[in-house]
Amino acid sequence: DQQVKQNSPSLSVQEGRISILNCDYTNSMFDYFLWYKKYPAEGPTFLISISSIKDKNEDGRFTVFLNKSAKHLSLHIVPSQPGDSAVYFCAAEKTSYDKVIFGPGTSLSVIP
Amino acid sequence: DVKVTQSSRYLVKRTGEKVFLECVQDMDHENMFWYRQDPGLGLRLIYFSYDVKMKEKGDIPEGYSVSREKKERFSLILESASTNQTSMYLCASSLAQNEQFFGPGTRLTVL
Repeated sequence: DQQVKQNSPSLSVQEGRISILNCDYTNSMFDYFLWYKKYPAEGPTFLISISSIKDKNEDGRFTVFLNKSAKHLSLHIVPSQPGDSAVYFCAAEKTSYDKVIFGPGTSLSVIP
Repeated sequence: DVKVTQSSRYLVKRTGEKVFLECVQDMDHENMFWYRQDPGLGLRLIYFSYDVKMKEKGDIPEGYSVSREKKERFSLILESASTNQTSMYLCASSLAQNEQFFGPGTRLTVL
């Protein structure tokens, strides 16, 4: 049973528009959430994170929103660029336990 | 620049062979992890280690073992490789409650 779900395997967006990647989790004990980006033939790289005490965290073009009551988080990329084309993994963990649970990933294609 | 390196990018082995995947990090991180990535399944944790000589099972430890004799090195061992262990293997390291740094991955094919 997947504790972290990304229900869209793929997403296509026009360059310059907003990309919204969604993630749902089932375990209410998770209190720290991360997004990673992965290009083909490379390891994932950390993108942005959010603690459960916040509902928004912004870093340049990337913003993560957390809705604890809905157990839902989303990553917004504005404006989207062709270089953003990659697989995005949502991840969640509990503070007292360092094991991280990853979602299955969403493949984003940004069309020039 | 922080770095996690893995011994091989591509590896082809035969069923029943013993396989060693090596991972080295230069960031003095306590935590190290081994994942496998398969299409539609994301990253699944095989084993992790909080310190030298320590190891903990992840979600899919069957058929694998690990060794952490030095802080910077974490090895994944396939005792007797099988075709269902064909996958992308990713090593990562981290400080507690911080993002993980990943190596480039090893694409293992078991024939």
